[in-house]
Amino acid sequence: KNQVEQSPQSLIILEGKNCTLQCNYTVSPFSNLRWYKQDTGRGPVSLTIMTFSENTKSNGRYTATLDADTKQSSLHITASQLSDSASYICVVSETNAGKSTFGDGTTLTVKP
Amino acid sequence: ETGVTQTPRHLVMGMTNKKSLKCEQHLGHNAMYWYKQSAKKPLELMFVYNFKEQTENNSVPSRFSPECPNSSHLFLHLHTLQPEDSALYLCASSQGDRGRSFGYTFGSGTRLTVV
Repeated sequence: KNQVEQSPQSLIILEGKNCTLQCNYTVSPFSNLRWYKQDTGRGPVSLTIMTFSENTKSNGRYTATLDADTKQSSLHITASQLSDSASYICVVSETNAGKSTFGDGTTLTVKP
Repeated sequence: ETGVTQTPRHLVMGMTNKKSLKCEQHLGHNAMYWYKQSAKKPLELMFVYNFKEQTENNSVPSRFSPECPNSSHLFLHLHTLQPEDSALYLCASSQGDRGRSFGYTFGSGTRLTVV
């Protein structure tokens, strides 16, 4: 069964600090991995998408990495801001049916 | 705005009411989806439509009835709901059913409260 596991479940950091969120998956055959940011009560918004051949991708202060061999991804947030407080969701898609498996998300709280 | 518009943003309904959620996308996508997100829980896929045809029903109770008149519009008709159906209902679209692989665009959601 395809699975996507995210850690930690929740994280609290101080404004200005960096943090790293983890995503491990068993989805196969792998097509791509996406990170979404979901503010409370809103729909998820795409941050990055990476295919098999890409091992790093940045979007402003967000940098995602992918190790397709170990089936691990991370999302690094630099110089956190209060507006980074949200749930971060990892989504992994398989190639054949195009089906996607969602992780449970990591809830990040940035405090002043 | 993401290009996927959901209305209403908030809805409170009684268990005997009938209401509908609406989703509209202007991205030229072929596939549309309904997701349910209960409090502090991950997204749950409900329905998938590709070129107006339903391709996936994730064992959703019949009190939820989707309708997709064209590739740009998606509705979720609600009737005789239960309090546990209270949740954030999210609509998403993508370029083709297999194009789910290339990313979803989500709407802002409808916050539904069943009283």
